[in-house]
Amino acid sequence: SQQGEEDPQALSIQEGENATMNCSYKTSINNLQWYRQNSGRGLVHLILIRSNEREKHSGRLRVTLDTSKKSSSLLITASRAADTASYFCATAPRGSQGNLIFGKGTKLSVKP
Amino acid sequence: KAGVTQTPRYLIKTRGQQVTLSCSPISGHRSVSWYQQTPGQGLQFLFEYFSETQRNKGNFPGRFSGRQFSNSRSEMNVSTLELGDSALYLCASSLVLAGGRETQYFGPGTRLLVL
Repeated sequence: SQQGEEDPQALSIQEGENATMNCSYKTSINNLQWYRQNSGRGLVHLILIRSNEREKHSGRLRVTLDTSKKSSSLLITASRAADTASYFCATAPRGSQGNLIFGKGTKLSVKP
Repeated sequence: KAGVTQTPRYLIKTRGQQVTLSCSPISGHRSVSWYQQTPGQGLQFLFEYFSETQRNKGNFPGRFSGRQFSNSRSEMNVSTLELGDSALYLCASSLVLAGGRETQYFGPGTRLLVL
């Protein structure tokens, strides 16, 4: 069953704007990871945030994690047409091994 | 380092047949996980192998099985294929790290179509 739920399901913005995607989950986690997928291809790892971290940055990406609310957000700043893709959050449940639980994803469209 | 590779990339089978998919992890990665992605169910965990042992299994029927070899390469097998098995099958490898730092790196997937 899906643990993560992304919000919104779809997002359409203009190049240069910021895109924010949210993710909620249900159980205790070791970490939360964000992935990007282009047109049904493989998943590209973007960023991992551990349960004891609150915020991480990587280039134009900013991820926050609120374990008390069981939620995370991914911010992409100054978006580009090449950022058009589906974005998934995935949680590594505490006590589990090698098992990521994915949300249904947010489909981001960045218009030039 | 080379990334995760999966073969074949595309496969067409008919109902009742069986199929074997292969995954070569990133060099040095000993954990391999398999996922199924469909439009209806999204990404779902199948199973995970570490040092040739299945450590974790998702909620899939026994028709789905896997194994891992001593070089960490992994195969998954689906027997008695059903139409609903049509999906993108993704393999991911990772180092086993303490402290919640384990990142899974995914291959390009094998797209299976069952007719």
